[in-house]
Amino acid sequence: QQQVKQSPQSLIVQKGGISIINCAYENTAFDYFPWYQQFPGKGPALLIAIRPDVSEKKEGRFTISFNKSAKQFSLHIMDSQPGDSATYFCAASNYGQNFVFGPGTRLSVLP
Amino acid sequence: GAVVSQHPSWVICKSGTSVKIECRSLDFQATTMFWYRQFPKQSLMLMATSNEGSKATYEQGVEKDKFLINHASLTLSTLTVTSAHPEDSSFYICSAGLAGRSYEQYFGPGTRLTVT
Repeated sequence: QQQVKQSPQSLIVQKGGISIINCAYENTAFDYFPWYQQFPGKGPALLIAIRPDVSEKKEGRFTISFNKSAKQFSLHIMDSQPGDSATYFCAASNYGQNFVFGPGTRLSVLP
Repeated sequence: GAVVSQHPSWVICKSGTSVKIECRSLDFQATTMFWYRQFPKQSLMLMATSNEGSKATYEQGVEKDKFLINHASLTLSTLTVTSAHPEDSSFYICSAGLAGRSYEQYFGPGTRLTVT
């Protein structure tokens, strides 16, 4: 019940394309859903996050779509760039504690 | 803003010795700090949650006596790996939550531990 599923495991996108990563959760107590970007040998960096009271949040080229009834949320990266090539993790938390991370998606954006 | 540092960035130690890793929030006060472990090409696994001035809460399967966590101030938490073994070799990452905005956590750059 604490698990967060993430797909795809890896993703290859052409420059300028849209990258879409999906996550699903079971625990309805989760109330905070962040996405993190991690480059090799570095710590994750918070990209964007959403609370369950909204269905979509956009920040620049990054958009989170949230479907509370389906217990799913996704990250869309518009106009993907080679510099976006990294590993992306979705996560879920309840009350700012007990952060659970998805297994990660390795994104490669081809020039 | 919201910068978290870790020291050292990498460390090599011999089996049986102890290693201390520091995590500092540089420009904010962190009421809660988290410690994670990450194996190559794998996800982050939460080891423990520490709140300033109180004992850390460890996740199931994490040995409290082996991974000692101290959160003595609002800007500093330490993780000590005691009696290290080669299987403890991993990437250790801390994160800190902003006081009053604890949902947001900011990660340090990580510490690569290699036990020989």
